[in-house]
Amino acid sequence: ILNVEQSPQSLHVQEGDSTNFTCSFPSSNFYALHWYRWETAKSPEALFVMTLNGDEKKKGRISATLNTKEGYSYLYIKGSQPEDSATYLCAFCGYQKVTFGTGTKLQVIP
Amino acid sequence: GAVVSQHPSWVICKSGTSVKIECRSLDFQATTMFWYRQFPKQSLMLMATSNEGSKATYEQGVEKDKFLINHASLTLSTLTVTSAHPEDSSFYICSARDNRRQAIPPGELFFGEGSRLTVL
Repeated sequence: ILNVEQSPQSLHVQEGDSTNFTCSFPSSNFYALHWYRWETAKSPEALFVMTLNGDEKKKGRISATLNTKEGYSYLYIKGSQPEDSATYLCAFCGYQKVTFGTGTKLQVIP
Repeated sequence: GAVVSQHPSWVICKSGTSVKIECRSLDFQATTMFWYRQFPKQSLMLMATSNEGSKATYEQGVEKDKFLINHASLTLSTLTVTSAHPEDSSFYICSARDNRRQAIPPGELFFGEGSRLTVL
């Protein structure tokens, strides 16, 4: 069983604060690392697909980095807004199989 | 973006009945779809990989006779929970991979909205 861990499990931040959370995964048999945002009562939506060690991707105020050698990825949110409140899932993609972390639940307080 | 529709979003049934959940890709074709189950405060656990035109591949510990999967077309997969019991109550969610993104490394998954099953 692959171990994909996310931390913290949950966090509350004030509007305007920047925050980050971690996804750790096995460093072997790596094909890709996905980040998804899952808002309540909606479908999870892909944020980033990351494949190369050292990858940095950005979408608006959200960015992510990838270290495949040590097996971790960071997701950063700059200037958090209430609409960023969601659960953020990472998914480790090995060959033909995707293993999800337990998610980080973010609550941005106005 | 690609849309996956899952139906029903919630269902309450009596113990012993069977429940069918549908997962449709609305604007793309998906040879491969995935079914997950989520217990409270746990991650999405892959139950099975649904393959169009062939048998599903079940994960270890998932009863294939209990969770019947049919993937009869490139846009529809169904999960049937047979003879449901209260312990089957859970959140079930499907995802699909766009056939145009089947290359390695794998592209992102597109998810349905999920189905909340409650068995009384």
